[in-house]
Amino acid sequence: QKEVEQNSGPLSVPEGAIASLNCTYSDRGSQSFFWYRQYSGKSPELIMFIYSNGDKEDGRFTAQLNKASQYVSLLIRDSQPSDSATYLCAVNDNTDKLIFGTGTRLQVFP
Amino acid sequence: EPEVTQTPSHQVTQMGQEVILRCVPISNHLYFYWYRQILGQKVEFLVSFYNNEISEKSEIFDDQFSVERPDGSNFTLKIRSTKLEDSAMYFCASSPYRGNGNTIYFGEGSWLTVV
Repeated sequence: QKEVEQNSGPLSVPEGAIASLNCTYSDRGSQSFFWYRQYSGKSPELIMFIYSNGDKEDGRFTAQLNKASQYVSLLIRDSQPSDSATYLCAVNDNTDKLIFGTGTRLQVFP
Repeated sequence: EPEVTQTPSHQVTQMGQEVILRCVPISNHLYFYWYRQILGQKVEFLVSFYNNEISEKSEIFDDQFSVERPDGSNFTLKIRSTKLEDSAMYFCASSPYRGNGNTIYFGEGSWLTVV
C-alpha cells in the first residue's frame, strides 16, 4: 500500500515568518511530487511540483526533495494570513493516479 | 483560463438512490479522473478514463460505481445505490497527458450528502 504521510497540524506561524511543511512517502518508485493548497470546501490547487533531488523555488515557495530519505518539504517565506489553508502533499509514479497525504493545516496569524 | 466544470455543486440524496455527477473537462484534454474526499480525510483516487475506457481504478471503485463519456464533452460518475459512506466531495479532473500530475486540473467539486 503506497502511503503519503503528513502531520495534520495545525501549524501556526506569525505573519512574515517561514512556514515549513513536511511529507514522507513510502514508495521508492515515486517520481513526481506535488504540493497543493486547499481552502476549506474547495478543490486542490497546485502550487509546486518537483521531480529531482534538491530545491526548487517559485516566488515565496520552495519545494525540497530528498529521494534517499523519501522526504518532500515545502517552505513558505513571508507567510501571509491568506496562506492559511490545508497543504496537501501528493506523489505520482507515472501511473494515472495521484496519491495524496491527509494534509497539514497552516494557520498564519497577524 | 479554461476550467473543469462540475454539476451539481451540492446534492442531497436518500440512501439507495442512484446519483449521477457530471463534469465537463477542459476541451483538448484526453485523460479524465474522479477523486473523492470524505470530510476531514484525504483526497482519494477513484478512477481514470482514457479513450473511452477505464485505464485504472482503485479498490473504492466497486461495482456500484461507473463512469461514462456519453457525448464527447461530458464525463459522468454514476453511483448506483448510494450508501451513507458515499457522502463526500467528488472532484473531477482532466489532463492533456497521462501520468503528469502538474497538468492535472481539478474541478470545484460536487458535494454529495447521502441521508
